Amino acid sequence: DGGITQSPKYLFRKEGQNVTLSCEQNLNHDAMYWYRQDPGQGLRLIYYSQIVNDFQKGDIAEGYSVSREKKESFPLTVTSAQKNPTAFYLCASSPFSPGSSSTDTQYFGPGTRLTVL
Amino acid sequence: AQSVAQPEDQVNVAEGNPLTVKCTYSVSGNPYLFWYVQYPNRGLQFLLKYITGDNLVKGSYGFEAEFNKSQTSFHLKKPSALVSDSALYFCAVIFPGNYGQNFVFGPGTRLSVLP
Repeated sequence: DGGITQSPKYLFRKEGQNVTLSCEQNLNHDAMYWYRQDPGQGLRLIYYSQIVNDFQKGDIAEGYSVSREKKESFPLTVTSAQKNPTAFYLCASSPFSPGSSSTDTQYFGPGTRLTVL
Repeated sequence: AQSVAQPEDQVNVAEGNPLTVKCTYSVSGNPYLFWYVQYPNRGLQFLLKYITGDNLVKGSYGFEAEFNKSQTSFHLKKPSALVSDSALYFCAVIFPGNYGQNFVFGPGTRLSVLP
């Protein structure tokens, strides 16, 4: 899992609550990503950020929000608008260089399992 | 549409036998191809990648993969499976035109290595 930490490992949410998942990396990577994993569906991209103070929606951004105020941190908020939030959430980072045509391996954190009660 | 397929949900192999986990993708051109492994309740671990060059790529833990452009495939292989290789394996692709951007993941293949 390298230098990427996610907390908490398990999170329980009541209906109507917002919750925030933490993701921190000490790899000095520019790009960070949030994925959702559901059984049998692989990983789906929620949001990504290639540089501080900028982020883009992924394939399933509705009901989620993010911020990127620091290079090391990319927290994900699951809002009450997300109708089916129970899933395993994975954060990743990569040494992406903006404007470069090269691409690099994404390195993943250990994940947070969110359950709606 | 660009997509990644892993045609087998489950692969079973006896310890010591060779293993293959299949991945195909639906685009022409030169994609970037990756394999990751996931153990229960853990994040994904990088195994190997193909960007350019030799079609046979060697990676971590004795795994290798072969890029076949004509068959648009990138199958993961290991000559002799270990029980500890039992895990969920994901193929991931960055498609031409999206270089420097985002992965598209296959649905995953669960590998069980039987002692």
